[in-house]
Amino acid sequence: EVQLLESGGGLVQPGGSLRLSCAASGFTFSSYAMTWVRQAPGKGLEWVSVISGSGGTTYYADSVKGRFIISRDNSKNTLYLQTNSLSPEDTAVYYCAKEDWYGLDVWGQGTTVTVSS
Amino acid sequence: DIQMTQSPSTLSASVGDRVTITCRASQSISSYLAWYQQKPGKAPKLLIYKASSLESGVPSRFSGSGSGTEFTLTISSLQPDDFATYYCQQYNTYPRTFGQGTKLDLK
Repeated sequence: EVQLLESGGGLVQPGGSLRLSCAASGFTFSSYAMTWVRQAPGKGLEWVSVISGSGGTTYYADSVKGRFIISRDNSKNTLYLQTNSLSPEDTAVYYCAKEDWYGLDVWGQGTTVTVSS
Repeated sequence: DIQMTQSPSTLSASVGDRVTITCRASQSISSYLAWYQQKPGKAPKLLIYKASSLESGVPSRFSGSGSGTEFTLTISSLQPDDFATYYCQQYNTYPRTFGQGTKLDLK
């Protein structure tokens, strides 16, 4: 079964950092780009970042550029999102998703990040 | 960045109704548009890709159309399970962008 499982969320103070993880199973992880999408409480979906299958190409939303770093370890079938300089506006559920040529076809259940003092 | 605009933001309908949601792109995205359904507390689910192709397992009452900058999602006969929030997303260029969502609720 194809599955994504996020972890690493929690409560963090403004200015702090968290590393989110997404463990993948059931598919050839290194063959697919992987994406992070977030959703603030009561708000819509916001695309955050993507990384190519090899890890050599990355893109970021302007809202996180320079603060977040996406990476992957294909030997561990795991995707990461290092979130730095967090502000209350980064409070959200963070989803990882597998990006096929036709869209985001597999999603994790999400991990919650709360930025508050 | 490409802006995606959905309308309406909220749609009230009854079981059995035919409903249509519109998504407009700020520039041409060819047919690189996907539709997702999200229920409260759950991850989004891919419904439609390439503007009009039905994802495996999705009921045939869902359909999509359009190309360029204007797209629609139609549900031909609403079922109780369809009351949810729907998002369009362009995957023509990075950064990918979502519409703001359309909440479909029971009239």
